[in-house]
Amino acid sequence: QKEVEQDPGPLSVPEGAIVSLNCTYSNSAFQYFMWYRQYSRKGPELLMYTYSSGNKEDGRFTAQVDKSSKYISLFIRDSQPSDSATYLCAMSRHGSSNTGKLIFGQGTTLQVKP
Amino acid sequence: DGGITQSPKYLFRKEGQNVTLSCEQNLNHDAMYWYRQDPGQGLRLIYYSQIVNDFQKGDIAEGYSVSREKKESFPLTVTSAQKNPTAFYLCASSIQGADYGYTFGSGTRLTVV
Repeated sequence: QKEVEQDPGPLSVPEGAIVSLNCTYSNSAFQYFMWYRQYSRKGPELLMYTYSSGNKEDGRFTAQVDKSSKYISLFIRDSQPSDSATYLCAMSRHGSSNTGKLIFGQGTTLQVKP
Repeated sequence: DGGITQSPKYLFRKEGQNVTLSCEQNLNHDAMYWYRQDPGQGLRLIYYSQIVNDFQKGDIAEGYSVSREKKESFPLTVTSAQKNPTAFYLCASSIQGADYGYTFGSGTRLTVV
């Protein structure tokens, strides 16, 4: 079983839709949670960062972490064609168990159609 | 501006050749990483280094080598022992522990011809 599971999609939605992207994980030691956005043939860029449980909002993007369910989500409101990209979740452990490496999901490819 | 630079953007390798991919960062990050990305397989860790003159193998190190002689630089050599080198290669850097995530370069696309 992989430490982090992410549905690879592809996910296709019409412009203006609300998009929900999700990852599940198995290791309760994870404390830092991130979402990266990767456009085709580019490097991933950090989109959202959350520590421990809770919500974080940034414009049209909301990241949620539910540590009791080992489940994280990224919501995109009023999706735009420019949101078409691959979205990767990532997480890291805290403290003495931290290996200094992020654990990535496989990435979900999103297409927003005009 | 601080950032991480990979070069070249595109690289072609003949069978049996070694090639070296460059990665330079001016973020003053201690840790650096190399990933390989293939369609449908996500990111796979090749090598990483948390301090100068030290590095560790990742999940798919066979056929690759690295060096970390300077904090700013972490070149990756794809050797002839790597039988399927065609892929998109990503370099990243972070502070120690990666608690705040990685900064990625723009990638190098390597193709065997």
